[in-house]
Amino acid sequence: GAVVSQHPSWVICKSGTSVKIECRSLDFQATTMFWYRQFPKQSLMLMATSNEGSKATYEQGVEKDKFLINHASLTLSTLTVTSAHPEDSSFYICSARDEQGMNTEAFFGQGTRLTVV
Amino acid sequence: GQSLEQPSEVTAVEGAIVQINCTYQTSGFYGLSWYQQHDGGAPTFLSYNALDGLEETGRFSSFLSRSDSYGYLLLQELQMKDSASYFCAAGRRGGGTSYGKLTFGQGTILTVHP
Repeated sequence: GAVVSQHPSWVICKSGTSVKIECRSLDFQATTMFWYRQFPKQSLMLMATSNEGSKATYEQGVEKDKFLINHASLTLSTLTVTSAHPEDSSFYICSARDEQGMNTEAFFGQGTRLTVV
Repeated sequence: GQSLEQPSEVTAVEGAIVQINCTYQTSGFYGLSWYQQHDGGAPTFLSYNALDGLEETGRFSSFLSRSDSYGYLLLQELQMKDSASYFCAAGRRGGGTSYGKLTFGQGTILTVHP
């Protein structure tokens, strides 16, 4: 199946600093990638849709100035958590679909566990 | 709004069969997916239904009824390693966004006992 790689798998940062998370589709191109957040014992919540070559689309309640998304190529999207605070500590997961194939399921990266201290 | 309902917990024994139901209310719906997630891990794709009916993939099967806005995941010959959280997710499209946007249910914690 299609492979989505996410890096780093975990990161600890100080409050007020910024953290960048990368999401790559390894064996297919994706004009659209999705970023989710999952707090402990909760479900995954869609944060934003990353669009190659254009602005990301954010879900209601997600601060676009805090969660910067860049989708500069067909295989890479990045999420930057700016001025991170302890309440931003969460599991961040990206997903993508192989838009050239017949399959329509979304594949997920390994996730990034962010801890802000 | 978008919402999916699934049971919060299910318990079963090894070798048994378990069915996890999911009802959804989602605009722009195009299909229902099922994902497995172990503690600390990312979701792993299990099954997908775009059309009504049953899809079988090994020990796992998934069913969809669009008219009833209902689906289920069937797990057969349960093994201890199947203990995990299971999420149904409705694929939805909206405006110019391509397919792939998912709304997740709250997840069902499956515990398999010896």
